[in-house]
Amino acid sequence: NAGVTQTPKFRILKIGQSMTLQCTQDMNHNYMYWYRQDPGMGLKLIYYSVGAGITDKGEVPNGYNVSRSTTEDFPLRLELAAPSQTSVYFCASSTLGLAGVNEQFFGPGTRLTVL
Amino acid sequence: KNQVEQSPQSLIILEGKNCTLQCNYTVSPFSNLRWYKQDTGRGPVSLTIMTFSENTKSNGRYTATLDADTKQSSLHITASQLSDSASYICVVTSNTNAGKSTFGDGTTLTVKP
Repeated sequence: NAGVTQTPKFRILKIGQSMTLQCTQDMNHNYMYWYRQDPGMGLKLIYYSVGAGITDKGEVPNGYNVSRSTTEDFPLRLELAAPSQTSVYFCASSTLGLAGVNEQFFGPGTRLTVL
Repeated sequence: KNQVEQSPQSLIILEGKNCTLQCNYTVSPFSNLRWYKQDTGRGPVSLTIMTFSENTKSNGRYTATLDADTKQSSLHITASQLSDSASYICVVTSNTNAGKSTFGDGTTLTVKP
């Protein structure tokens, strides 16, 4: 099993450009999450999904969009990149919600810089 | 507002020594507390998950404790190794919303030879 995979690993965007961060998991997990991690700070939840076709906002959703057409894939879309979106983005998945005792698995991250 | 505070912010120890990291939280109602290890440039990896009724849980040289009354947790690392150098993150989940947890800012541990 590859676990949670993310592409690309690194990306530099110009202000106003758009891009999609890809996330795929092969563990048949229902729950998937997108976080951002700014230097020296804790992870902040952007969006999450409890299953195919269902998504919901997290703490910091502004400027982002998601979709969940399949169990495996949970792409994150940035429509108009801004310098404030410079961060490391992590995708994660779990069988059940985090209120349950089940492990959450993280991808390796995408480092995004907006200039 | 739900908060998770970790201390110290950073710590340097010599290889072979023990250390303890602290986590205080105000998340309520409480569901569980997780400790993650995050190596530089990588995603977090789960170390332990503790529920309200659990006081202690071990994973090899890592032992987490939980005092739900005082809302404190600690992560004790025994006989540290160079590979323990990482950021350790405390995460507390409320049972009001299964999809959201509160992450601490982490403690950066450096183990020197």
